[in-house]
Amino acid sequence: AQKITQTQPGMFVQEKEAVTLDCTYDTSDQSYGLFWYKQPSSGEMIFLIYQGSYDEQNATEGRYSLNFQKARKSANLVISASQLGDSAMYFCAMRYQTNAGNNRKLIWGLGTSLAVNP
Amino acid sequence: GAVVSQHPSRVICKSGTSVKIECRSLDFQATTMFWYRQFPKKSLMLMATSNEGSKATYEQGVEKDKFLINHASLTLSTLTVTSAHPEDSSFYICSAQTGGGGAFFGQGTRLTVV
Repeated sequence: AQKITQTQPGMFVQEKEAVTLDCTYDTSDQSYGLFWYKQPSSGEMIFLIYQGSYDEQNATEGRYSLNFQKARKSANLVISASQLGDSAMYFCAMRYQTNAGNNRKLIWGLGTSLAVNP
Repeated sequence: GAVVSQHPSRVICKSGTSVKIECRSLDFQATTMFWYRQFPKKSLMLMATSNEGSKATYEQGVEKDKFLINHASLTLSTLTVTSAHPEDSSFYICSAQTGGGGAFFGQGTRLTVV
């Protein structure tokens, strides 16, 4: 069965410092995708970064990078130079192929609440 | 990234009435859309998968007669909460799947049933 685990319910970081949010996953599929989303208090889900299981390079998007360690089944999000606006919930998700047709669902972690301190 | 618009963002309705929530993909065609429900400080709970031109696939425990989903076109899916009750109050959010497999979300709808 597919599973996503985020073990940090809450994290604090000082402004301008880097922070790592943990995410481990479990799947027997060879092909899957890993996503990170940010959810501010407004509720919208903002796509941050994506890593495909066959991608050899770690994904990067601006201040976001994904530390993908396939053998350890981890996909940690690294935010560099934290800003006050980074304070939000962060969710890790994995896309997998369902048995029914071509639907590809996302399975979600429980999220990590990040607070950036000035 | 792709743009998904969800409307309304907030709605308050009386118990027993129905509420329709729209999810539109603005700059791409989405053959598949997903509807989620999120309780406060919790993760997203998948309610159903909406496929254009066919019936939605509901997750276990989700009442299909309560939460009607229609995916009439490649850019529009609607969720209707029928005969709403206070326990249906929640945050509902849709996502649309792009051809490349990316998942982009609407802004979400905060439903309050009084």
